[in-house]
Amino acid sequence: QLVESGGGLVQPGRSLRLSCVASGFTFDDYGMHWVRQAPGKGLEWVSGISWKGGRIHYADSVKGRFTISRDNARNSLYLQMNSLRTEDMALYYCVKARTAAGGIDAFDIWGQGTMVTVSS
Amino acid sequence: DIQMTQSPSTLSASVGDSVTITCRASQSISSWLAWYQQKPGKAPKLLIYKASNLESGVPSRFSGSGSGTEFTLTISSLQPDDFATYYCQQYSSYSPMYTFGQGTKLEIK
Repeated sequence: QLVESGGGLVQPGRSLRLSCVASGFTFDDYGMHWVRQAPGKGLEWVSGISWKGGRIHYADSVKGRFTISRDNARNSLYLQMNSLRTEDMALYYCVKARTAAGGIDAFDIWGQGTMVTVSS
Repeated sequence: DIQMTQSPSTLSASVGDSVTITCRASQSISSWLAWYQQKPGKAPKLLIYKASNLESGVPSRFSGSGSGTEFTLTISSLQPDDFATYYCQQYSSYSPMYTFGQGTKLEIK
């Protein structure tokens, strides 16, 4: 199970930090990701981090503004979002890679999402 | 960048029908393709991984095929629970590493 928190209403240019707590699987065996979905729109991969945190990737749309991290001792995933824009407004899902200690993989467990609203 | 194009965008069908959704990649992605189902207000659910492998717990009426640039998701004998939006996703070493199709909404006729 994945449970996200930290979403809310924020003004453009401000920051927000999302958190995701995992349970029911060995968190530090799996790569983790953030995927977002703007209201009424499709899915967009945002960022991913490998099981030990050594490999990190970002979508071009957030590179330089967002930072993904994880704390395996706390079974937690984070997304620090800086310089937020109106186009960042979306439901942010925490998702788990399907294969343990694997590389690029499909996503088999999704949280219910946390909504980020960017508006003045 | 790899683009994923699904067709059709909307599909109307009846319970008991068999339907096929197509996903095309702008360049070869081997078999690195997944299919997801999303119902309104819910998170997506993984159906198929590596183009043709059925995720555990997913009914066998769902099947996937294809490789390279063209892929299909087939749902045989549609059930009322199957009416939802379906997304394909490529996961490869190309940039960006993960790209979703725009989605196909399966509606009741």
